[in-house]
Amino acid sequence: KAGVTQTPRYLIKTRGQQVTLSCSPISGHRSVSWYQQTPGQGLQFLFEYFSETQRNKGNFPGRFSGRQFSNSRSEMNVSTLELGDSALYLCASSQGGTGEMNTEAFFGQGTRLTVV
Amino acid sequence: GDSVTQMEGPVTLSEEAFLTINCTYTATGYPSLFWYVQYPGEGLQLLLKATKADDKGSNKGFEATYRKETTSFHLEKGSVQVSDSAVYFCALIDSWPGNQFYFGTGTSLTVIP
Repeated sequence: KAGVTQTPRYLIKTRGQQVTLSCSPISGHRSVSWYQQTPGQGLQFLFEYFSETQRNKGNFPGRFSGRQFSNSRSEMNVSTLELGDSALYLCASSQGGTGEMNTEAFFGQGTRLTVV
Repeated sequence: GDSVTQMEGPVTLSEEAFLTINCTYTATGYPSLFWYVQYPGEGLQLLLKATKADDKGSNKGFEATYRKETTSFHLEKGSVQVSDSAVYFCALIDSWPGNQFYFGTGTSLTVIP
């Protein structure tokens, strides 16, 4: 069974640009969540999508957005990049149901975004 | 709100030493608790989990018991190896909405031969 695939692995962007990150979940998983990992703030929840609908959102500005396609693949977009957006962005894939099923979350290797 | 507090690192141990990483949590509902491990340059890997009070999660010699009375989920291993060197994260998912992890700050472990 293929794991969670995030592309690209590394990205360098300039302040003010925008960026799109991609996440392909495990086959059959309908929930995709995104997290930002930085040395100062640790792991912070961005948002979660289930069956193409955003179910939950963290405390990030509107520059951070996402979407999910009918095949469960998800993209995350950050507009007007700031230096502070430099981070490892992790995607988590799960079945998406409630209770026990939703506790089996698998993480991708992440996309390392550097803003210069 | 929900939160996880875990022992600050870094932790340095000699091979075959006993490991404990403390983790306590605050949750409004009935959370499931997890330990994830992150190796350099990698994403997070699930190490073990427990979904209800008094459950013990175990994997690769690591153990943690869900203690509701002390709101704790401490990670232990009786004899660490060099290959256990990594960053360890304690996390929870609350019963509602059931799809958002709350992570601790991570504890870096280095095991020296």
